[in-house]
Amino acid sequence: QLVLTQSPSASASLGASVKLTCTLSSGHSSYAIAWHQQQPEKGPRYLMKLNSDGSHSKGDGIPDRFSGSSSGAERYLTISSLQSEDEADYYCQTWGTGIHVFGTGTKVTVL
Amino acid sequence: EVQLVESGGGLVQPGRSLRLSCTASGFTFGDYAMSWVRQAPGKGLEWVGFIRSKAYGGTTEYAASVKGRFTISRDDSKSIAYLQMNSLKTEDTAVYYCTRVRISGVGAFDIWGQGTMVTVSS
Repeated sequence: QLVLTQSPSASASLGASVKLTCTLSSGHSSYAIAWHQQQPEKGPRYLMKLNSDGSHSKGDGIPDRFSGSSSGAERYLTISSLQSEDEADYYCQTWGTGIHVFGTGTKVTVL
Repeated sequence: EVQLVESGGGLVQPGRSLRLSCTASGFTFGDYAMSWVRQAPGKGLEWVGFIRSKAYGGTTEYAASVKGRFTISRDDSKSIAYLQMNSLKTEDTAVYYCTRVRISGVGAFDIWGQGTMVTVSS
């Protein structure tokens, strides 16, 4: 079964970095994922597609502070130089034949 | 500007029907699959279903939670995707988002609409 696992929360100070993790279920470690950001009271926004080899392609207008990387079944989103507007929920998404799956989301708090 | 705008949400009684629309602009609608995602109040994102482009037969796929009750269709001449929701349940209460995805329905949701709220309550 295709499942994505995310930690419920993460925090870091203004100007610091935070690294979020999205873990693919057993047998799906080669899958690509996407990262989406949802700021409070707003709809989601596509950040990037992240492949198993760590290569990624970002959406239009996504700052360089957002980057992705991969290791085995884990997919990471790193936010550098944290800004107040980065305080949001972050969801990973993946897909198979005829199905899409979201992780449960990680709430990022900027201290 | 690439844009998706949902409409048609509102308050509906359990067991009744509602149809949502997603109007696209700024891109060639027929070259993409279209998907619906929902978010219940205070909860995470849940994929609802998608419709492939006509080049891939315009076929549909649905999450188990809505299969048999919801139907997705598209009108490429108007650049609109629809979500027909029948036999609505209180647990269908959510903000419904329209998203764009690659032609075959496989890939990242790279454009999101602003969402439309559906409340199922008596």
